[in-house]
Amino acid sequence: GQNIDQPTEMTATEGAIVQINCTYQTSGFNGLFWYQQHAGEAPTFLSYNVLDGLEEKGRFSSFLSRSKGYSYLLLKELQMKDSASYLCAVSNSNYQLIWGAGTKLIIKP
Amino acid sequence: DADVTQTPRNRITKTGKRIMLECSQTKGHDRMYWYRQDPGLGLRLIYYSFDVKDINKGEISDGYSVSRQAQAKFSLSLESAIPNQTALYFCATSDLNRDTGELFFGEGSRLTVL
Repeated sequence: GQNIDQPTEMTATEGAIVQINCTYQTSGFNGLFWYQQHAGEAPTFLSYNVLDGLEEKGRFSSFLSRSKGYSYLLLKELQMKDSASYLCAVSNSNYQLIWGAGTKLIIKP
Repeated sequence: DADVTQTPRNRITKTGKRIMLECSQTKGHDRMYWYRQDPGLGLRLIYYSFDVKDINKGEISDGYSVSRQAQAKFSLSLESAIPNQTALYFCATSDLNRDTGELFFGEGSRLTVL
């Protein structure tokens, strides 16, 4: 089967750094996405990785290792507004997105 | 105005009723999708359409049907709603010509079936 695993919930402190991990097993691979979703709102695109390595975009970075079936999202200088769920999704050989259940990130002052 | 608009945003209905959720987009994308989201589960694909004449079942299509009335409109119907169809439903679009396949989501339609 195909599955995406990520922690259910994480807690971090404002101003700190947090890393959210995602491991995947899919039939083929055509890229990995991270989306942010605030409670009751639509997911919004954060990043896309298709090659191994680190992609940096402001306070957010995303890393991919295809050989390990592993990705992480790194959030720096955490702000209260970063409290949200972070969804990992993989595009498989049919270009269909397989979604993880999401990681709820709680930021404390 | 939102690029991907869903109506209604909230709906409470009774078991056995027919419900239609509508989605329209101004992004000019060919591809449109319907997902449902349940607590503790990932987004699950119900149906998707790559153009007006193309409709495909997703992983959980039973109990649902769709209609692609135009490039910009994609409707989801529940012919006879049941309580386990209570969920948050999202419409999404993507651009055929965009390598990443990034999805653009509507604001969601919260459906409660009593």
